[in-house]
Amino acid sequence: EVQLLESGGGLVQPGGSLRLSCAASGFTFSNYAMGWVRQAPGKGLEWVSAISDSGGVTSYADSVKGRFTFSRDNSYNTLYLQMNSLRAEDTAVYYCAKGRSGTRNGMDVWGQGTTVTVSS
Amino acid sequence: QSALTQPASVSGSPGQSITISCIGTNSDVGPYNYVSWYQQHPGKAPKLMIYEVTNRPSGVSNRFSGSKSGNTASLTISGLQAEDEADYYCNSYTSSNTLVFGGGTKLTVL
Repeated sequence: EVQLLESGGGLVQPGGSLRLSCAASGFTFSNYAMGWVRQAPGKGLEWVSAISDSGGVTSYADSVKGRFTFSRDNSYNTLYLQMNSLRAEDTAVYYCAKGRSGTRNGMDVWGQGTTVTVSS
Repeated sequence: QSALTQPASVSGSPGQSITISCIGTNSDVGPYNYVSWYQQHPGKAPKLMIYEVTNRPSGVSNRFSGSKSGNTASLTISGLQAEDEADYYCNSYTSSNTLVFGGGTKLTVL
């Protein structure tokens, strides 16, 4: 079964850091681009970041550029989202998603999400 | 990276057809055939319904179809069913090599 499982969410103070992980299984992980999408409470979906199949190319939304770093370890079928300088507006459910090939081709598998709360 | 523009809500009766529009710009929807549509039920993860403007993933009902004209993409759901009631989001690739979502549309089946 194709599956994505996020972890690492929690409560963090403004200005703090958090690292999210996403463990993939059931497909050849290294063949696919991957992405992160978030959803603030009661709000719509917001694209956060994408990474190429090799991990050599990344892109970020302006709202997180310079603060978040997206990486992957194809040996361990795992994604990482390092989030620094967190703000209240980063509070959201964070989903990792698999691209059909690239993420621009559609994201066809999603995790269940992990919740990040930025508050003092 | 402004969000794509979707109507906040649409509604229809069972058996009817509805169309949700997604208005972009010459920097996202217009020049690329990389528009996707996602369905999200409350408390659940999004589900891919349409990719590359018109294509349906395996397992998605053929009652769902997508199209594009200029800077506007559309999702049409025919033969509305109660289970179609959900939030729908469009998504497009942009000239900045990023992705952008629409604000979302709440579909109510009357």
